Order: sequence, then structure tokens, then C-alpha cells
Amino acid sequence: GNSVTQMEGPVTLSEEAFLTINCTYTATGYPSLFWYVQYPGEGLQLLLKATKADDKGSNKGFEATYRKETTSFHLEKGSVQVSDSAVYFCALDAPGSSNTGKLIFGQGTTLQVKP
Amino acid sequence: NAGVTQTPKFQVLKTGQSMTLQCAQDMNHNSMYWYRQDPGMGLRLIYYSASEGTTDKGEVPNGYNVSRLNKREFSLRLESAAPSQTSVYFCASRFRANLPDTQYFGPGTRLTVL
Repeated sequence: GNSVTQMEGPVTLSEEAFLTINCTYTATGYPSLFWYVQYPGEGLQLLLKATKADDKGSNKGFEATYRKETTSFHLEKGSVQVSDSAVYFCALDAPGSSNTGKLIFGQGTTLQVKP
Repeated sequence: NAGVTQTPKFQVLKTGQSMTLQCAQDMNHNSMYWYRQDPGMGLRLIYYSASEGTTDKGEVPNGYNVSRLNKREFSLRLESAAPSQTSVYFCASRFRANLPDTQYFGPGTRLTVL
């Protein structure tokens, strides 16, 4: 079946440090991949997405590349800010065969950035 | 546009009580979803409605029922609340179920069952 595995958190970084949050997936066919971010007390917001192999999603300085050969979609940012402190979720969407549109989420990774 | 709205934001129930969580979207989306979020488990799908007039079970449907009232509204009902249903509940919508569109999430309902 479809599944998403994220690196364990929490991740604690100093401001301006480089960020990587690992995400690997198992899926049939060719899923679309997403990163969502959840700020404290809020709902989830789409951060970026990629719909086919080798696509790079990017937004707000964050990037992730859809690597089919390694079934990965790692999130990176070159210089984090305190305002990036949040929970990050990797997710996949395997439409087509089931037509449900439901997302499969990883367990989430908490990022804390210290000044 | 308000996007996806949920009511209430917070609720405390006693075991055995019932309640309905309301969700509405104003983006003319066809598909709507209910998830629950528990620590260390990400979000898990409870029920979904791929299009108006249809509903289907997700990963964790036991103890819940849903109603797709119209294209805009999708409610989640707990008939007899249990402490295991203490969670944060999120409603989401997307334009079409079979396209890789963004799912938009509401702000969540924090439910505590005593």
C-alpha cells in the first residue's frame, strides 16, 4: 500500500542554518508529492508540491525534488528563520486508480529555530 | 473568500455525548475530507466525499458518521463520544478528487472527551 516516512523530530536549528527534512515514500504508480506546513494553533497550508519525477517544487526559500529512483522528496532550505518554526508534513496523493483524492501523510517533523 | 471554515474551534464532551462538527468551503470544490490529527501519527483520513452526493470511509471511520449536505458543506458526527476520539479534527477540500490539486485545510476543531 501507499505510505510516507519522515525523519523523526524534533529538529532544532540555529537561525541561518541549513535545513533538510527527509521524506521517503512507497506508492503504486506515479503519485504526486506535497509538503504541508502547520504553524502553532493553525491548520495545514500547502508549502510546495511536485507532480512528476524530477520536478522541483519551491516556495518561500524551501525546495524539494521528486526523486523516483530513490522514492524520496526531501525538504531543504538554505537559511532558516525563527518564523519557520512549525510542523512539516510530507504527503502523497495517488489519484487515478482510486479517484479518491485522499492524501497519505507522514507523521510530521517539528522544526524549532532558535535565534 | 473565507476558504474552509470549521465550527466549533474547541469542544469538551463527556463520554457518551454526541456532537456534530461543521465544515463549509466557498471555493466551489467538489471533494471534501475529514481527518484527525494525533501526536506522532500525522493526519489520518476518517471519511471523504469525492463529489456531492457520495461519501466513503477512510482509514479510521469507526465511531463517526458524515453527511454531505450540499456542495459546500460536509459535517462529521460523533454519535457516542469516547475518550479515544480526543483529537484535533481537520476538514479539507479540493477541486477534483482525481487531479493532483492542492487540498485546502480548515483551522481545525480541538475536541476533548472526558
